[in-house]
Amino acid sequence: AQSVTQPDIHITVSEGASLELRCNYSYGATPYLFWYVQSPGQGLQLLLKYFSGDTLVQGIKGFEAEFKRSQSSFNLRKPSVHWSDAAEYFCAVTAGYNTDKLIFGTGTRLQVFP
Amino acid sequence: DAGVIQSPRHEVTEMGQEVTLRCKPISGHNSLFWYRQTMMRGLELLIYFNNNVPIDDSGMPEDRFSAKMPNASFSTLKIQPSEPRDSAVYFCASSFTQGLQETQYFGPGTRLLVL
Repeated sequence: AQSVTQPDIHITVSEGASLELRCNYSYGATPYLFWYVQSPGQGLQLLLKYFSGDTLVQGIKGFEAEFKRSQSSFNLRKPSVHWSDAAEYFCAVTAGYNTDKLIFGTGTRLQVFP
Repeated sequence: DAGVIQSPRHEVTEMGQEVTLRCKPISGHNSLFWYRQTMMRGLELLIYFNNNVPIDDSGMPEDRFSAKMPNASFSTLKIQPSEPRDSAVYFCASSFTQGLQETQYFGPGTRLLVL
């Protein structure tokens, strides 16, 4: 069955530092992969998605993610973190073909220190 | 666009009472999703509709939960009777689906507390 693992429950970085959030997936074929962000008290917002093609995907708010099939990973990166990036980040994979169902990871909470 | 609208934003009720959560998807979207978020289980899909038809309800916990989508602009999630373990944040999301997996737009959620 499809699954998503986010190994880091909580990450703390200083403002201006680089960021990488890890995501590993389990899927039998080429997956559709997503990163969503959830600010406190808010719903989820899509940062970026990968369907096919270029394995480096650019998203909103300066985020990017790289799909690595050999490592079953889709890590999210940002070169310089801003205090407003403090939020919870969710990686998700499609549950299969012919379905709109997404499987979400457990999330990584990002804390940013000034 | 107003985005996905959910009501109420907060609900406090007593065990055994009926709870109805409401969702208005983004106009023009043809898929609607109900999720539940808890600390213990994370974000779970309960049910989703496409063109007002339930497609996958495998995530609905038990018979106490039911969802309807009478038209393209409205959906409800009902819990009857409610139990303390139903306390969670319930999200509604919508998308315009035309083959490939499309972006889901989430509402602000309804925070439910069952005493």
